[in-house]
Amino acid sequence: DAKTTQPPSMDCAEGRAANLPCNHSTISGNEYVYWYRQIHSQGPQYIIHGLKNNETNEMASLIITEDRKSSTLILPHATLRDTAVYYCIVRANNAGNMLTFGGGTRLMVKP
Amino acid sequence: DAGITQSPRHKVTETGTPVTLRCHQTENHRYMYWYRQDPGHGLRLIHYSYGVKDTDKGEVSDGYSVSRSKTEDFLLTLESATSSQTSVYFCASSLRDTLNTEAFFGQGTRLTVV
Repeated sequence: DAKTTQPPSMDCAEGRAANLPCNHSTISGNEYVYWYRQIHSQGPQYIIHGLKNNETNEMASLIITEDRKSSTLILPHATLRDTAVYYCIVRANNAGNMLTFGGGTRLMVKP
Repeated sequence: DAGITQSPRHKVTETGTPVTLRCHQTENHRYMYWYRQDPGHGLRLIHYSYGVKDTDKGEVSDGYSVSRSKTEDFLLTLESATSSQTSVYFCASSLRDTLNTEAFFGQGTRLTVV
């Protein structure tokens, strides 16, 4: 399985864009990049996923480099409620489609 | 959000007693998962199911068993609870067996083994 590397923590000012990086240099051709977040004490929440192209939904944008070895999750206007641990996951290419969670990035949005 | 609920939400039990946690989903999802979350370890997969009566082990399956007799229910059993199984347990479900699908998580069960 491809592993991911994320910074352990980041700060962002409220109202500014939060850019969360993720390295996945061993990703294989058919593996998707997923982002989930976990707000304190709650279950993880799906944010977005992509394969090659950049993706955008109502929550965030996902930018994947052309070589697919890294990606960036962008929260365009961070709010205090976006304070959470953000997990970048490369979807396992085996039975069960397991999600393997690493340490994630703890994003602190500050007023 | 997908309808996925866990019960109980909190439980305290004694060492050596059996414990069963229940996960119930109303989305007719084929795949279901049990994770545990501990400080310093993130979420780790215990067991998963890819259909009724079809289950397999995850990375931390020792001391746990599961059953899936109906699509909507996935049970996690600790046959003889130990203090090392004190944790927060999360259930999840997903629809398809392809890579291009998302998983939905329950709100968690906080289990304390004393």
